[in-house]
Amino acid sequence: QSVLTQPPSASGTPGQRVTISCSESNSNSGSDYVQWYQQLPGTAPKLLIYRNTQRPSGVPDRFSGSKSGTSASLAISGLRSEDEADYYCVVWDDTLSGWVFGGGTKLTVL
Amino acid sequence: QVHLQQSGPGLVKPSQTLSLTCVISGDSVSSNSAAWNWIRQSPSRGLEWLGRTYYRSKWHYGYAVSVRSRIIIKSDTSKNQFSLQLNSVTPEDTAIYYCARSFNGNLDSWGQGTLVTVSS
Repeated sequence: QSVLTQPPSASGTPGQRVTISCSESNSNSGSDYVQWYQQLPGTAPKLLIYRNTQRPSGVPDRFSGSKSGTSASLAISGLRSEDEADYYCVVWDDTLSGWVFGGGTKLTVL
Repeated sequence: QVHLQQSGPGLVKPSQTLSLTCVISGDSVSSNSAAWNWIRQSPSRGLEWLGRTYYRSKWHYGYAVSVRSRIIIKSDTSKNQFSLQLNSVTPEDTAIYYCARSFNGNLDSWGQGTLVTVSS
């Protein structure tokens, strides 16, 4: 079973570049692909990055994803106040035949 | 553009059954390329996948181990919707419940969420 570990919080000032990490504990049962979701206060999560690095249409290129081995990262450049949200990494676990979510990272724009 | 509209009670008594429905527009519950999921979110458990249904020549169902003994997900092709039943609820089942579509390996469309409180 995969366990995804994220830092509980991150912060940055407007214009800065921030990265959020996601570490997968068990690569054998995890997917090759990591997704990232943004959850603004009071709303449902929104797909931000899929297949480790791909952005759905409409997602600004300030958001980028990467993956190396069992670690994935979400980078946000040119930080804006509207980026203040919770961010989650997610994988499909073949062993569980289900989705596994990271604990989430609360991003604060100072 | 896929839209998922959730409905159901926001308050359920302990030991009773939680029932929610998700109506699909812009896709079909019997699509051969999508799956229909229920996910919940609480401060103590974070985001937790509960289960899914999908059609690939026949109906398939999958449930999380944590709720497998208490959960039923059903699909209704006549109303293009799917539903969640969670039996024998306790206060630990208090959460925001979401329905979501998975397509091409992504949870790409979500319902608006329903806060369900388990309390007498």
